[in-house]
Amino acid sequence: DAGVIQSPRHEVTEMGQEVTLRCKPISGHDYLFWYRQTMMRGLELLIYFNNNVPIDDSGMPEDRFSAKMPNASFSTLKIQPSEPRDSAVYFCASSILATGGTEAFFGQGTRLTVV
Amino acid sequence: DAKTTQPNSMESNEEEPVHLPCNHSTISGTDYIHWYRQLPSQGPEYVIHGLTSNVNNRMASLAIAEDRKSSTLILHRATLRDAAVYYCIENAGNMLTFGGGTRLMVKP
Repeated sequence: DAGVIQSPRHEVTEMGQEVTLRCKPISGHDYLFWYRQTMMRGLELLIYFNNNVPIDDSGMPEDRFSAKMPNASFSTLKIQPSEPRDSAVYFCASSILATGGTEAFFGQGTRLTVV
Repeated sequence: DAKTTQPNSMESNEEEPVHLPCNHSTISGTDYIHWYRQLPSQGPEYVIHGLTSNVNNRMASLAIAEDRKSSTLILHRATLRDAAVYYCIENAGNMLTFGGGTRLMVKP
């Protein structure tokens, strides 16, 4: 497997525009996570899915952020409208179910810059 | 919020062992202890995990205190490629909550 694949790797957009980040998890993994990383706040869990169903979205900062997982091989994180403070690296990760002893695999991340 | 405590940074010499400490004084009996690391410009990667017993794998060893309130990640021979931020995490279920981690610098 090629691992978790995120696209695009870099995105520069203007404030107010819609941004869509994409993630393809590892085949067979039934958990998918979206994280955001900034210098100020470190790695923050935004939302996670189990079997394509959102389980916990308490980390989503506000209504401008939304995430979907229409099938087991694809997820999106959308920001509409984008703001400069959304600039960060966004990571997607996937894992198989467990007991607390599994390992999560992270993608290379999408570096988002909102100007 | 993260429930683990780690030093902000540590230094090591290349080819020497490194012991990275972590305190998790509020850990419950069923939480696993996970370690991840993040190399520059990359996503976090899994290193090792354990529950009660010490664990070894090809990357590192994990020593867990008998009371489980602390653990130590051991890199047996640090290389320049081990320079990264190392995160210790109490894993309850599938959620990984990252703290600040320890930035390991390796000197040649």
